Amino acid sequence: NAGVTQTPKFQVLKTGQSMTLQCAQDMNHNSMYWYRQDPGMGLRLIYYSASEGTTDKGEVPNGYNVSRLNKREFSLRLESAAPSQTSVYFCASREPNSPLHFGNGTRLTVT
Amino acid sequence: AQTVTQSQPEMSVQEAETVTLSCTYDTSESDYYLFWYKQPPSRQMILVIRQEAYKQQNATENRFSVNFQKAAKSFSLKISDSQLGDAAMYFCAYKRAGAGGTSYGKLTFGQGTILTVHP
Repeated sequence: NAGVTQTPKFQVLKTGQSMTLQCAQDMNHNSMYWYRQDPGMGLRLIYYSASEGTTDKGEVPNGYNVSRLNKREFSLRLESAAPSQTSVYFCASREPNSPLHFGNGTRLTVT
Repeated sequence: AQTVTQSQPEMSVQEAETVTLSCTYDTSESDYYLFWYKQPPSRQMILVIRQEAYKQQNATENRFSVNFQKAAKSFSLKISDSQLGDAAMYFCAYKRAGAGGTSYGKLTFGQGTILTVHP
């Protein structure tokens, strides 16, 4: 019963470095999402993928790119990390009109 | 655009007592879903309860219940017989129903309320 798996759990980057956050789900869900969580801001949608082969911008997409590699996997890439991207990142998946299933999050610090 | 507001950054309750967390939202839609998620220190996001806007009856899940006031656009969470394990951050969330197109599946979250439970 893995559900949604995110890697890594923690990451420290220097400004300008790049990295990819990985997400995989084993529930055969069509839709996958990336959120960031910041104090006092709740969770804000970065990008989402309604189905395999499609991706769309959410509320705060600047500075990020995504890839829906297949139905299971949805990765988030930071090409040139900035301190403003210090946050906790959550991947989630779901079927239509069903609740989100979340991963355990990645705490990213950009110095 | 839809917005969700949780006006209580922090709340506290004594073990075994009852606490209510507030949430208001703004939407022009008539059909939608509302959720409460719990995030304990482990960081995991756990669905607590869900309400469909077309249902007048308030949702209940064991010790958790909601007071859904559609006209007032209010969706509060009541936790009865509070337990130490209820300590967490709680998020209220909104999703438009009949999702399609650019709004497909997107949830809008409130800022969160940190709940402390005192023994």
